[in-house]
Amino acid sequence: ETGVTQSPTHLIKTRGQQVTLRCSSQSGHNTVSWYQQALGQGPQFIFQYYREEENGRGNFPPRFSGLQFPNYSSELNVNALELDDSALYLCASSLGTGVGYGYTFGSGTRLTVV
Amino acid sequence: AQTVTQSQPEMSVQEAETVTLSCTYDTSESDYYLFWYKQPPSRQMILVIRQEAYKQQNATENRFSVNFQKAAKSFSLKISDSQLGDAAMYFCAYRSAPEYGNKLVFGAGTILRVKS
Repeated sequence: ETGVTQSPTHLIKTRGQQVTLRCSSQSGHNTVSWYQQALGQGPQFIFQYYREEENGRGNFPPRFSGLQFPNYSSELNVNALELDDSALYLCASSLGTGVGYGYTFGSGTRLTVV
Repeated sequence: AQTVTQSQPEMSVQEAETVTLSCTYDTSESDYYLFWYKQPPSRQMILVIRQEAYKQQNATENRFSVNFQKAAKSFSLKISDSQLGDAAMYFCAYRSAPEYGNKLVFGAGTILRVKS
């Protein structure tokens, strides 16, 4: 079974631009979560999608938005990029939203904003 | 709000020895899960071990075991017979129930170095 795949692996953008990051969930997983991991820190929860609907959101501004598609893959969109948005963005999928479900993580997209 | 604290930014252990990584958390929930994740330079978060809060018995996975003290809100990870491949960043994480945001809350991490 395939794991979680994220693309691209690295990305450089200019302040003020927009970016779209992509995630293919593990086969059979209907829930996708996105996390932002700044250098030297633990990941911070951005939001979660369950069956194409947003199902929880962390403390991130509205310029962070997402989508989940019928095949459960997902996109993270960030508008009006700021220098502080430079981070590793991790996608994680799970079988459901229950507290006992484990997550499978991808290897992340390293975003650099200059 | 739930918080997770890892007070050891960095730890070192000799190959084949045992090391314990510390984690404390704060929550008002009664039903939750705790996890230890490993993040090697490849960046992918790998699940090491998990603990259900309502289970008193400490979880064990081969060389990895936890000491879960619910009243003290403590969740330490013990790695026995350390191997060079264990070198990585280790994160303690708390999984909140859906009504509390349905998210993983991570600590700041502990870098584990293994000496040969």
